[in-house]
Amino acid sequence: QKEVEQDPGPLSVPEGAIVSLNCTYSNSAFQYFMWYRQYSRKGPELLMYTYSSGNKEDGRFTAQVDKSSKYISLFIRDSQPSDSATYLCARGGYQKVTFGTGTKLQVIP
Amino acid sequence: DAGITQSPRHKVTETGTPVTLRCHQTENHRYMYWYRQDPGHGLRLIHYSYGVKDTDKGEVSDGYSVSRSKTEDFLLTLESATSSQTSVYFCAIIDDSSYEQYFGPGTRLTVT
Repeated sequence: QKEVEQDPGPLSVPEGAIVSLNCTYSNSAFQYFMWYRQYSRKGPELLMYTYSSGNKEDGRFTAQVDKSSKYISLFIRDSQPSDSATYLCARGGYQKVTFGTGTKLQVIP
Repeated sequence: DAGITQSPRHKVTETGTPVTLRCHQTENHRYMYWYRQDPGHGLRLIHYSYGVKDTDKGEVSDGYSVSRSKTEDFLLTLESATSSQTSVYFCAIIDDSSYEQYFGPGTRLTVT
């Protein structure tokens, strides 16, 4: 079993839709959770970072961590074509950050 | 972009040749990382460094070595490249003040 599981998609939604991206993890040792956005042929870009359970909001993006069920979510409100990218979830600490394989999102105008 | 550059950005090399990739940061952060990214596998850690001359292995370190003689530079060496090492390689740092991880632009390596 992979430490971080993520549905690869692709996920296709119309512009303006609410997008829900999800990951599950199997090891409770590390407490940092991250979401990255990666455009084609670019490096991953940090979107959200949290050290706790609950919700963290930043503009149209909300990250949610449920440690009891080992579930990580990213919600995108009012999705835009510019949100079309691959989204990577990750968890870990200094010595080890484990990534999901990424979910490819396409927002159709 | 946390001041991370990688060189070269693209490289094609033949099986059996040595290859060195360079990661350079401008902000003297302590932790630096090398990852490879492959379809179906996502990002996997090759090696990381927690200071000058302090390095440790990641989950896919076989066939790779690293060196860090200066805070700002982290080198990844493939001693004898194989076709299975064809990949996109990313360098990353962790910001010492925010603890957030930032990635470089990547190096696309093809081993023929």
